[in-house]
Amino acid sequence: AQSVAQPEDQVNVAEGNPLTVKCTYSVSGNPYLFWYVQYPNRGLQFLLKYITGDNLVKGSYGFEAEFNKSQTSFHLKKPSALVSDSALYFCAVRPTGFQKLVFGTGTRLLVSP
Amino acid sequence: DGGITQSPKYLFRKEGQNVTLSCEQNLNHDAMYWYRQDPGQGLRLIYYSQIVNDFQKGDIAEGYSVSREKKESFPLTVTSAQKNPTAFYLCASMRAGDNQPQHFGDGTRLSIL
Repeated sequence: AQSVAQPEDQVNVAEGNPLTVKCTYSVSGNPYLFWYVQYPNRGLQFLLKYITGDNLVKGSYGFEAEFNKSQTSFHLKKPSALVSDSALYFCAVRPTGFQKLVFGTGTRLLVSP
Repeated sequence: DGGITQSPKYLFRKEGQNVTLSCEQNLNHDAMYWYRQDPGQGLRLIYYSQIVNDFQKGDIAEGYSVSREKKESFPLTVTSAQKNPTAFYLCASMRAGDNQPQHFGDGTRLSIL
């Protein structure tokens, strides 16, 4: 079965410090991986995706993610956190040939001033 | 501007009542999706449609129904058979192709009166 795990319900970081939000996945075949962000009472906004190629993917708002095939991980990173980055972050995977996304349970990021 | 419009923003249902959530997109996307979001559970797929006049059940279709008569519209009906309908409902659409991200509307929050 396809699955995505986000092991941390919440991540706390001080403004200006680097942040990491973790994601691991379990799928058959080569997956397509995505990160989304959700602000209160809003829909999900696409941040970045990994399809193939370079393991470091750059996305919107200064976010990037590192794909590690051996560890089946796709962690979201940002070198310097902003208070405005505080939101709910979702990792998602789409197995090759499938039209459905499988989402993790989300990680709440709280950036303190 | 292209996007996905969900209406209403807030909806209240009485016991035994069916309610319909609207989702319209002007992105010319072929595929459309309905998700349910509950705290701590991430997004769960209710129904999806890859083409007009065709749709498939997702993981939690019981108590819900959909139609896809037009490419740009994918309404969701929450029937009286759905005993726990209180949730945040998100509609999404996607261009054809495995590596495309899904685009989301801003959701409808459904509550029981």
